[in-house]
Amino acid sequence: AQSVTQLDSQVPVFEEAPVELRCNYSSSVSVYLFWYVQYPNQGLQLLLKYLSGSTLVKGINGFEAEFNKSQTSFHLRKPSVHISDTAEYFCAVSDTSGTYKYIFGTGTRLKVLA
Amino acid sequence: DSGVTQTPKHLITATGQRVTLRCSPRSGDLSVYWYQQSLDQGLQFLIQYYNGEERAKGNILERFSAQQFPDLHSELNLSSLELGDSALYFCASSEGGDGRYYEQYFGPGTRLTVT
Repeated sequence: AQSVTQLDSQVPVFEEAPVELRCNYSSSVSVYLFWYVQYPNQGLQLLLKYLSGSTLVKGINGFEAEFNKSQTSFHLRKPSVHISDTAEYFCAVSDTSGTYKYIFGTGTRLKVLA
Repeated sequence: DSGVTQTPKHLITATGQRVTLRCSPRSGDLSVYWYQQSLDQGLQFLIQYYNGEERAKGNILERFSAQQFPDLHSELNLSSLELGDSALYFCASSEGGDGRYYEQYFGPGTRLTVT
């Protein structure tokens, strides 16, 4: 079974500053990793995903994440945030075999301050 | 606009009742996924249908059931409702049969309040 931990429930950051949202996972098998964003009163949107290959994954809206197998982490980063990045961010994990099944983290609320 | 529609937007009902939530996927998408988002449980995958057949099952309670019809719309049925079932229920759709490989497009959700 897999689990996902997002240690930071809220992250305030000033506009144009860099941000890192942390995600750690636990699994006894190989995993796929995902980051989703949820804007207020909307459904989720995929930011990026790691399936295989390069451990540095680039996504939409200038976000990127790095898969670190030894530290079982998949932290999300953006070098310069905008007010419009204010949203909730979810990390998710799935094993690489069997049928589809996501395990989501509890989410991190990113608040960008002017 | 993701192209996924969900009805109704809001639903208020009493404990013990039964409700049906409806989802219409994007045109051409064969898979439908259901998720529950609540303060207690967070975001959970419930169930997936692909082209009318159940494809994957998550943390779906026995009181809940779903189906996908020939026109590919899907319904999530929740029965014997409890206060803890109050949540936002999302539907998503994807072109292919596995949401890990095909991007999922999420609807706006149905907010269910059980009183």
